[in-house]
Amino acid sequence: ILNVEQSPQSLHVQEGDSTNFTCSFPSSNFYALHWYRWETAKSPEALFVMTLNGDEKKKGRISATLNTKEGYSYLYIKGSQPEDSATYLCAFGRAAGNKLTFGGGTRVLVKP
Amino acid sequence: DAGVIQSPRHEVTEMGQEVTLRCKPISGHDYLFWYRQTMMRGLELLIYFNNNVPIDDSGMPEDRFSAKMPNASFSTLKIQPSEPRDSAVYFCASSLARNRAYEQYFGPGTRLTVT
Repeated sequence: ILNVEQSPQSLHVQEGDSTNFTCSFPSSNFYALHWYRWETAKSPEALFVMTLNGDEKKKGRISATLNTKEGYSYLYIKGSQPEDSATYLCAFGRAAGNKLTFGGGTRVLVKP
Repeated sequence: DAGVIQSPRHEVTEMGQEVTLRCKPISGHDYLFWYRQTMMRGLELLIYFNNNVPIDDSGMPEDRFSAKMPNASFSTLKIQPSEPRDSAVYFCASSLARNRAYEQYFGPGTRLTVT
């Protein structure tokens, strides 16, 4: 059983503040780490995919980093806006497989 | 491309009835996944197919659940007989093996309510 854990489970952020949260995953047999954004009543949408240790990705105010040796990734939201409210899922892809193992998600609520 | 298509979007049925959920993956994708989302367990993988062949069904909760993929453009997830604890949102996703490190594209989901 692969353990992909996200923390915290939920967080409330004041509009304009920055925040970050964590995904931890097995450090062996690593192939890829994905971040998905999942709005209520919609389906998960891909944000980033990272495959190399030290990878950093950025899309607007959201960025992510990857440490495959210690098995963690951070997602950062700079200057949070109400439209950033969503559940952020990370998903681990193992070498020699084609499925993703999802974490439980971090639910972000940005308060105006 | 229209994306992953699922039907129905909502299904309400009585306990004991058969339920069939349908999925059309993105054209050309060679992997198809069925997930179930619940409050308790989050997003859990039920089964996935590669080139229409089931690869791993270890997530299927019990024999009441079955899934088929008769061709590259269609898959079904069947629950027979359904029970109230099967109430959840069921997602279908597809991916292309050689693209972007297993990135999956999700359908809109089917919200199943079993009364």
